[in-house]
Amino acid sequence: GAVVSQHPSWVICKSGTSVKIECRSLDFQATTMFWYRQFPKQSLMLMATSNEGSKATYEQGVEKDKFLINHASLTLSTLTVTSAHPEDSSFYICSASPDGSYEQYFGPGTRLTVT
Amino acid sequence: AQTVTQSQPEMSVQEAETVTLSCTYDTSESDYYLFWYKQPPSRQMILVIRQEAYKQQNATENRFSVNFQKAAKSFSLKISDSQLGDAAMYFCAYRTTIQDSGNTPLVFGKGTRLSVIA
Repeated sequence: GAVVSQHPSWVICKSGTSVKIECRSLDFQATTMFWYRQFPKQSLMLMATSNEGSKATYEQGVEKDKFLINHASLTLSTLTVTSAHPEDSSFYICSASPDGSYEQYFGPGTRLTVT
Repeated sequence: AQTVTQSQPEMSVQEAETVTLSCTYDTSESDYYLFWYKQPPSRQMILVIRQEAYKQQNATENRFSVNFQKAAKSFSLKISDSQLGDAAMYFCAYRTTIQDSGNTPLVFGKGTRLSVIA
């Protein structure tokens, strides 16, 4: 099956710094990738849709200037949390579909802790 | 907009017994996809089973099967011969077939936490 990786799996950063999370489709190309955020014991909340070669589409309430998304190639999307604050601490998950497929494959997630 | 509802925040089942997790959804579309995902403590999302709405036959994957009632917009998951490794969060999800499916995200329910009792 298709594999999606995320790096890092866990990161701790200080308040005010920026953190970059990478999402890669290892064995398929994905024009579109998705970024979700998940709080403990809650469901996945869609943050944004990442489109290769164009601007990301953000969900209502998600600050686009805080959560910068870059989809530079058909296998890589990055999420940068800028000027991180403790309230940004969460579990971030990316997913992708091979072009033409309706199935969505998930990365293992990144746990972000802002101190 | 589509919505997915999981009315059971928590469920428990004895090992080797059968349990059914409920899911209902709301949509005006006639064709779509439905999924059940499992999220164990590792938090990796694992696809359990999928159902295409145009197929009347209920999907089955080993011990996992669904009861898809299109008119009632119901999509329940039955786990037979429950095992300790089945303990996890289970999410029901919907995906449209309209336009390019690769560009549309999943719509998730709030999840059901399943405990398996030895």
